[in-house]
Amino acid sequence: DAMVIQNPRYQVTQFGKPVTLSCSQTLNHNVMYWYQQKSSQAPKLLFHYYDKDFNNEADTPDNFQSRRPNTSFCFLDIRSPGLGDAAMYLCATSRGLPNNQPQHFGDGTRLSIL
Amino acid sequence: AQSVTQLGSHVSVSEGALVLLRCNYSSSVPPYLFWYVQYPNQGLQLLLKYTTGATLVKGINGFEAEFKKSETSFHLTKPSAHMSDAAEYFCAVLQAGKSTFGDGTTLTVKP
Repeated sequence: DAMVIQNPRYQVTQFGKPVTLSCSQTLNHNVMYWYQQKSSQAPKLLFHYYDKDFNNEADTPDNFQSRRPNTSFCFLDIRSPGLGDAAMYLCATSRGLPNNQPQHFGDGTRLSIL
Repeated sequence: AQSVTQLGSHVSVSEGALVLLRCNYSSSVPPYLFWYVQYPNQGLQLLLKYTTGATLVKGINGFEAEFKKSETSFHLTKPSAHMSDAAEYFCAVLQAGKSTFGDGTTLTVKP
């Protein structure tokens, strides 16, 4: 089945130690999104790529970066994780056009900070 | 700007009872509306969507929702709750390719 895959499912890192989360998709979708979701809260959009075009949300901290080397893969880099960055990180994709397409989500990576 | 309000952060029903999860939205243009379900430690799964056409939309797992423009609502219903329906439910508005999510409603189903 075509899908969105996130690795790893659980990630533990140390305070201040860079960490990278990965997402791959077999849907060939144009758009890839990264969301941060804290407990009992709605997903919060960090940024998204429309093809190679990067779109950062205004309130996303500089500590969060992203790379999309090709259509299938997208990475979330946290340069210096703080305790407040512990959360579930969700990757999602969508077809882009027409502009009414739902998003397809991966199962997320739960990040813990020691 | 668009926003989504889900009334009731927690809803509890008995197995076999009607499920009603409320969602109201604000949007400056005709909205595209979605309901997603999230099980523990999983991503969001699309339940149903409204883009255009029929205002009563049927989704997976027996859920349906009705778009009411006059009430700016898109409430989610299911006639008979099942234990497996216990999860977090998110209503979302899509505009310009970006989704705005409500804060979610946790559905508990009692035996």
